[in-house]
Amino acid sequence: QSALTQPASVSGSPGQSITISCTGSSSDVGNYNLVSWYQQHPGKAPKLIIYDVTKRPSGVSDRFSASKSGNTASLTISGLQAGDEADYYCCSYAGRSTWVFGGGTTLTVL
Amino acid sequence: QVQLEQSGSELKKPGASVKVSCKASGYTFTDYAMNWVRQAPGQGLEWMGWINTNTGNPTYAQGFTGRFVFSLDTFASTAYLQISSLEAEDTAVYYCTREGTAMVFDFWGQGTLVTVSS
Repeated sequence: QSALTQPASVSGSPGQSITISCTGSSSDVGNYNLVSWYQQHPGKAPKLIIYDVTKRPSGVSDRFSASKSGNTASLTISGLQAGDEADYYCCSYAGRSTWVFGGGTTLTVL
Repeated sequence: QVQLEQSGSELKKPGASVKVSCKASGYTFTDYAMNWVRQAPGQGLEWMGWINTNTGNPTYAQGFTGRFVFSLDTFASTAYLQISSLEAEDTAVYYCTREGTAMVFDFWGQGTLVTVSS
């Protein structure tokens, strides 16, 4: 199972919006609405911020939104804040009780 | 509240074994599967597999068969990851993570750093 493809890095200024893509295949992202996104600050455990492609867990800011089209999922962060600077990982169900993560994207807030 | 408490950092020599524990609290342990995720230094997250906390049946991702073993102590609400014949490439932070009802990794342990060095 190959890792999902994410850009290595993205950046934006405070207040701006950025989008992180996550490209898989018809065996994972394209076949299941079970894409989730995780935020990881340095030295910390990942934190769930999006699940089931578009849903936000309780307590996660509505500045985080996500979508999916075909084999590509996307995470959008609007109104960038300094605290959003972190690594972001997508994850998709890949069938037969298996999961696959993306390679991760480092977000820099300029 | 749900918590996953992992055992502390380990320093091991090549060829040795290590057993990482993940103690769950705040929920019924057998109601949710437990997954394991590896993060090598400076690298991304890598799904290792999961264990059915009802049956004890493990599923291993490609690349994590043979030297990696998931196990349970359901009476202690604890999951274990054992790695044998350690190699330098096994140096990583290992996370346990609960698979919630929405088929998502909703709670994570704090991670356990395993360092393999002679």
